[in-house]
Amino acid sequence: EVQLVESGGGLVQPGGSLRLSCAASGFAFSSYSMNWVRQAPGKGLEWVSYISSTSSTIYYADSVKGRFTISRDNAKNSLYLQMNSLRDEDTAVYYCARGRAAAVVTPNDYWGQGTLVTVSS
Amino acid sequence: DIQMTQSPSSLSASVGDRVTITCRASQGISNYLAWYQQKPGKVPKFLIYGASTLQSGVPSRFSGSGSGTDFTLTISGLQPEDVATYYCQKYYSAPLAFGGGTKVEIK
Repeated sequence: EVQLVESGGGLVQPGGSLRLSCAASGFAFSSYSMNWVRQAPGKGLEWVSYISSTSSTIYYADSVKGRFTISRDNAKNSLYLQMNSLRDEDTAVYYCARGRAAAVVTPNDYWGQGTLVTVSS
Repeated sequence: DIQMTQSPSSLSASVGDRVTITCRASQGISNYLAWYQQKPGKVPKFLIYGASTLQSGVPSRFSGSGSGTDFTLTISGLQPEDVATYYCQKYYSAPLAFGGGTKVEIK
């Protein structure tokens, strides 16, 4: 069974940093691309970042470019999102989601339960 | 960047009704279009890819169509368990933009 479990969310002040993790199990993690998608309270889905299976290709939404860094450790079956210079508008539930292929952008077939990030003073 | 626009933003229909949701891309995206269902308080569920191919396990009352810039998600015979917000997503290229969502309720 495919499982994605996010962790690392919490309350952080504006300008602060946070590192999210996503532990994957039940599939060959190193063979799939991964994404982070977020959802602000009461709002729609917003794609945040993509990383290919070997980390050779990475994309970011304009709203987080230069502040967020996606990475993965295939040996640990883990995906990460380093979030710096956090703003109020980054407050959201952050989902880790699996792509359907290794090295091209595809839809997300499995999603974690999400971790809540709250940016507030 | 390519923008995705969904309509309507919400709808109310009776059980058994045929429901149609529209998604429009600001530029052509071939058939690189996916649909997701998000029930209240739940995680998004992957429904359709390639504009019209149902993901395994998705009920056959769901169908998708379209190509280029205009796409539709149809529910043929709305069921109470279909109450949810539906999102389209383009994956023609990064950014993988979502539409704003369509909230479906039972009348």
